[in-house]
Amino acid sequence: GESVGLHLPTLSVQEGDNSIINCAYSNSASDYFIWYKQESGKGPQFIIDIRSNMDKRQGQRVTVLLNKTVKHLSLQIAATQPGDSAVYFCAEKPPPSNTGKLIFGQGTTLQVKP
Amino acid sequence: EPEVTQTPSHQVTQMGQEVILRCVPISNHLYFYWYRQILGQKVEFLVSFYNNEISEKSEIFDDQFSVERPDGSNFTLKIRSTKLEDSAMYFCASSTRLADTQYFGPGTRLTVL
Repeated sequence: GESVGLHLPTLSVQEGDNSIINCAYSNSASDYFIWYKQESGKGPQFIIDIRSNMDKRQGQRVTVLLNKTVKHLSLQIAATQPGDSAVYFCAEKPPPSNTGKLIFGQGTTLQVKP
Repeated sequence: EPEVTQTPSHQVTQMGQEVILRCVPISNHLYFYWYRQILGQKVEFLVSFYNNEISEKSEIFDDQFSVERPDGSNFTLKIRSTKLEDSAMYFCASSTRLADTQYFGPGTRLTVL
């Protein structure tokens, strides 16, 4: 069935280091990918997105890389801060494209050590 | 900054009772969604809604579930006869267009006893 998975359930990094969170998606026809951050007790918060016609997109301190050949998505966070501690989900939008349905991965917990 | 709001934040109900979860999407958004998240698990799609019609629904969204946009601002999810396994966080989301970012509300925690 459809699935979007993450390679590691928990990532622990030192404050100030760069973080890389990985995601494998299953549907090669998906055309839109999003990273969400979820803090405890809150809803998913949009971080950054990328469409399938791009390989890389940068935001403020975050970069998303898309490798369609191996169906891999990654989120890079530069100079990780304690406020970055949260669960990070990747999500993909598979076809058909007329419903907006997102399929989420399992989530990676990012722990930032001071 | 506009945001999606949801009420109540926590709903406790007895098994077999009906519940209505309410959402106010961002005002200029046209596409609306419900997702749920069982504790410790990933977020799961339930239903998408546009132009007063369901666009797609998942296998979870069976006959016990329904959605409605009763007026120009609210978007509701009704569970007719709740089951223990309906206990989860329910998130509403909205987007301007189909291909645009979905913004999520803070969620309603539903506890079925």
